[in-house]
Amino acid sequence: KQEVTQIPAALSVPEGENLVLNCSFTDSAIYNLQWFRQDPGKGLTSLLLIQSSQREQTSGRLNASLDKSSGRSTLYIAASQPGDSATYLCAVENYGGSQGNLIFGKGTKLSVKP
Amino acid sequence: GAGVSQTPSNKVTEKGKYVELRCDPISGHTALYWYRQSLGQGPEFLIYFQGTGAADDSGLPNDRFFAVRPEGSVSTLKIQRTERGDSAVYLCASSLNPTSGGEETQYFGPGTRLLVL
Repeated sequence: KQEVTQIPAALSVPEGENLVLNCSFTDSAIYNLQWFRQDPGKGLTSLLLIQSSQREQTSGRLNASLDKSSGRSTLYIAASQPGDSATYLCAVENYGGSQGNLIFGKGTKLSVKP
Repeated sequence: GAGVSQTPSNKVTEKGKYVELRCDPISGHTALYWYRQSLGQGPEFLIYFQGTGAADDSGLPNDRFFAVRPEGSVSTLKIQRTERGDSAVYLCASSLNPTSGGEETQYFGPGTRLLVL
């Protein structure tokens, strides 16, 4: 059974710092891995999707990497801003599962202090 | 354009009552998903619709939970004989046309917060 783990559970940094969020998964047979952002009281916003054949994806100040063989992904946020404060979730879509059956980690709650 | 919408945004009910939660996906999206998110946890998959049919309902916890999508657009999640443990945020997502290539992004609604007293 696929399990997704995110470390740390919470992180507080001063504005301007670069930071890394970690995600690990136990079964490497995945279609893709996605990083989402969740703001309090709101739904999830997709940030980056990395297909199994890819190693990384970039969007603005965000860079996500995928090492499928070791079951790891990182989300790098450059020059963090208070507006980046949110919970960040990673999720994988397994081979053999139905389309779109995403398996999520518990998230990392990020707080960026001005 | 309009995103995924869910109603109600909050629902408080008593143990044993019946509730219905509604999801309006993005227009033209053929796939619709329901997830449940408990406090401090990530979302957990409940059911996936492709068009009008439930392609995968393996995440529904028991037979008190049922979902429909009769016209391939709006979906309703129905919970009978609610229990306190059903309290959670119920999230709906839609995607355009899932393929086997794993390229599809799911677009999530804001969720319905269900509290069973």
